[in-house]
Amino acid sequence: DAKTTQPPSMDCAEGRAANLPCNHSTISGNEYVYWYRQIHSQGPQYIIHGLKNNETNEMASLIITEDRKSSTLILPHATLRDTAVYYCIVRVWGGSEKLVFGKGTKLTVNP
Amino acid sequence: DAGVIQSPRHEVTEMGQEVTLRCKPISGHNSLFWYRQTMMRGLELLIYFNNNVPIDDSGMPEDRFSAKMPNASFSTLKIQPSEPRDSAVYFCASSKLQGAQSTQYFGPGTRLTVL
Repeated sequence: DAKTTQPPSMDCAEGRAANLPCNHSTISGNEYVYWYRQIHSQGPQYIIHGLKNNETNEMASLIITEDRKSSTLILPHATLRDTAVYYCIVRVWGGSEKLVFGKGTKLTVNP
Repeated sequence: DAGVIQSPRHEVTEMGQEVTLRCKPISGHNSLFWYRQTMMRGLELLIYFNNNVPIDDSGMPEDRFSAKMPNASFSTLKIQPSEPRDSAVYFCASSKLQGAQSTQYFGPGTRLTVL
């Protein structure tokens, strides 16, 4: 599976949009981008995934660049409860279900 | 739905003792995963099962670790004998493989301390 690169930490003001970047320049055509987050002391939580089209659900939006080498997770109106470590993971569609977690981005939402 | 259930939530034991961690996956899910999280190594997959069969155990650190899934609703991770370096949070996750897509749902974890 392709490797991902994320900034170690980010800050965001409550109520503002949080934009979390992820670089996956070696991604291959059959690899999807997944995002999970881990709130302190809890198990990781699935957020969203996508291949090449932008995706949106009740939690977030995922914007993938046309060349698929990077993506951005957008939390449109961040709240204090969104403070967590966010993981960007690439996984082969139809391949192993294994998820390889990197160090992620620690997002702190400030009041 | 109750979600993934893990027990115990906390375990403190002495070096050399046997430790058994338990997991009940979400009903209807056919894949089960055991992860370990430490400050040094982050979150790493130990083993995963599909339809109760171990598929990938390449992350199991050594022979002291073993995992079983006797049926679709129960799995155990056993450490015998335990060592202080096994201290970590152990997460169980489950998923339902539908075609080529699956989403993993994680339990609350078991915090293990080996003295």
